[in-house]
Amino acid sequence: SQTIHQWPATLVQPVGSPLSLECTVEGTSNPNLYWYRQAAGRGLQLLFYSVGIGQISSEVPQNLSASRPQDRQFILSSKKLLLSDSGFYLCAWRGYYTGELFFGEGSRLTVL
Amino acid sequence: SQQGEEDPQALSIQEGENATMNCSYKTSINNLQWYRQNSGRGLVHLILIRSNEREKHSGRLRVTLDTSKKSSSLLITASRAADTASYFCATDADKAAGNKLTFGGGTRVLVKP
Repeated sequence: SQTIHQWPATLVQPVGSPLSLECTVEGTSNPNLYWYRQAAGRGLQLLFYSVGIGQISSEVPQNLSASRPQDRQFILSSKKLLLSDSGFYLCAWRGYYTGELFFGEGSRLTVL
Repeated sequence: SQQGEEDPQALSIQEGENATMNCSYKTSINNLQWYRQNSGRGLVHLILIRSNEREKHSGRLRVTLDTSKKSSSLLITASRAADTASYFCATDADKAAGNKLTFGGGTRVLVKP
């Protein structure tokens, strides 16, 4: 069966520090991968999606970047964090035939 | 930009009552999906309804879709305290839009025992 892992689960970082959030998927190949951000009590904002290795589409101009170095690995990064980068980051992969998204458990980032 | 907008933003009901929430969207879709999120957790897929379907059931869930009004509703029957969560609709636009799901702001449901 397919599983998706995100880490770290919780992160507290100072303004101006770098960021790396990782997401890996098991049990499927060539998945579409997505990074969403959720502000407290709000909906999900799509940040990046990838349809294959090295293929990244950015939805919102921002302080973040994404990379897909391997088929089942998706990384969210920043060189210098801003206060506004705080939030709950969710990685997801998409089922090809069913079209539904499968989410990881999320990474909560607090920038101080 | 958000495609789906849920209404109401919050809902409080007693256990055993039905909970209904609505979702409106703006552009044409391939399908519409509903997800559930427990506090501090990832989202879990509940049900998908295609643009050529009008109603779908899954256990205590009933989803309707009216493409002429660009709206959908999710009904949870005989609610339980464990149904307390946030519920989101997500629209799946055509493939030219990049296979993306766009989420609304969600409805927070509190089921009181």
